[in-house]
Amino acid sequence: DIVMTQSPDSLAVSLGERATINCKSSQSVLYSSNNKNFLAWSQQKPGQPPKLLISWASTRESGVPDRFSGSGSGTDFTLTISSLQAEDVAVYYCHQYYSALSFGQGTKLEIK
Amino acid sequence: QVQLVQSGTEVKKPGASVRLSCKASGYTFTNYAMHWVRQAPGQSLEWMGWINAANGDTLYSQKFQGRVTINMDTSANTVYMDLSSLRSEDTAIYYCAKFKAAAPPDFWGQGTLVTVSS
Repeated sequence: DIVMTQSPDSLAVSLGERATINCKSSQSVLYSSNNKNFLAWSQQKPGQPPKLLISWASTRESGVPDRFSGSGSGTDFTLTISSLQAEDVAVYYCHQYYSALSFGQGTKLEIK
Repeated sequence: QVQLVQSGTEVKKPGASVRLSCKASGYTFTNYAMHWVRQAPGQSLEWMGWINAANGDTLYSQKFQGRVTINMDTSANTVYMDLSSLRSEDTAIYYCAKFKAAAPPDFWGQGTLVTVSS
């Protein structure tokens, strides 16, 4: 099984500032035949199901604000929110879909 | 618009079984597969298994092998998840989530709370 580990567990950032969340997989999720990383980021607000933000490590879903960006390859990935807005308060999960599906433990993002 | 409407809250005693449903609409049901993922209170997300709506093929997490069964009724655009031998640790919100082959889950149901308590 592929284990996903996020850091930090929680993060407090001032409005308008940058937030960075890291994710590490226990094995590479880069599929060599198409050079794609099977890594996604989702956002979960209280009382709601997760919402897909980014797939293939860096491709924003339709309607996701461009302040959200993803980067990384292989085993190390990053989600960046360039200018934090109040509505971004949530728990963020990285997850791999290279082999079945597995999730990181989540990062709780709050306003400082 | 895409909807995944899940069945309502369940309260079960230890040792019992539960059947949850997930009714899909707003897309071609057989063009997607469906994950079942659960979330215990205050915890992360845990994958349980999936079913390919095109052919009924299933894959289960080893953790739940033997206790979980996922099936579907294509005429009703509905996926079901049966979980048996319930214990208190199975108390969680259970989600269905649709996905295309080799892609992440792109839409989730609203979740069903299952409470297991004597």
